[in-house]
Amino acid sequence: NAGVTQTPKFQVLKTGQSMTLQCAQDMNHNSMYWYRQDPGMGLRLIYYSASEGTTDKGEVPNGYNVSRLNKREFSLRLESAAPSQTSVYFCASRYGTGGYEQYFGPGTRLTVT
Amino acid sequence: AQTVTQSQPEMSVQEAETVTLSCTYDTSESDYYLFWYKQPPSRQMILVIRQEAYKQQNATENRFSVNFQKAAKSFSLKISDSQLGDAAMYFCAYRSANSGGGADGLTFGKGTHLIIQP
Repeated sequence: NAGVTQTPKFQVLKTGQSMTLQCAQDMNHNSMYWYRQDPGMGLRLIYYSASEGTTDKGEVPNGYNVSRLNKREFSLRLESAAPSQTSVYFCASRYGTGGYEQYFGPGTRLTVT
Repeated sequence: AQTVTQSQPEMSVQEAETVTLSCTYDTSESDYYLFWYKQPPSRQMILVIRQEAYKQQNATENRFSVNFQKAAKSFSLKISDSQLGDAAMYFCAYRSANSGGGADGLTFGKGTHLIIQP
C-alpha cells in the first residue's frame, strides 16, 4: 500500500517552461488536492477534485491547471513557469465527507530560475 | 474566508517536559473540523490529532491532547513527556463541514517550529 505518491521529487525549470506534476493514490479515495508550501507559510490550496471529472479552484489557482484523469490520478500543470511558482507542492487525498483526514504525498520541490 | 493563526514561530522544550502550542482561528461557521499536523524534516505531513467542532470533549491521542475552546476560537495542542522524535514543524488546520469548492480543503496556519532539548 503506497498511499499517495508524487513524481518527480525534485525539479528545476527555467522561466516559461511547462511541466506536469503527477499524483496518484491507491486508497480508493474520492477527493484529491494540490497544495503549495512556501517558506514560513503553511500549505495553501491550489485546486481540488471532489470526484473523477470534477475540479474546483482553491485559494491560489492562478498559473495552474489540473486534470483528474481517473479516480487514482490528479495532475497539476504549470503552463508557463514563473519564479513565483518556486515552492514545495503537496498532493493529498481523502476518503469522503466529514472529519476524515487528508493523506499527503511526500511533496515535490520545484525551483523556477 | 477562514483564517488560522499560530502566534509562536518557534518553541523549545526539555525532553520529558510538557509543551503547549497555540492556535486561534476565525470563522463564521458553527460546524467545522480542526487538525494538528506534524511535519518533520522529511517533509512528510502527518496527522497528529483532530477535533470535531460539535464535540465538547477534547480529543486525546496518547501523549497529545488538545484544549478546544469554541467560543474563544482557540485550539491548542499539548504534548506531554516530550521526546526527541517530536521535533518538527506543527501546523494547525481548519476545514469547513460544508462541502463544495475550496471549502473542502484545509486552511493552515504558518506553523510552529518545535525544538526538543535533550
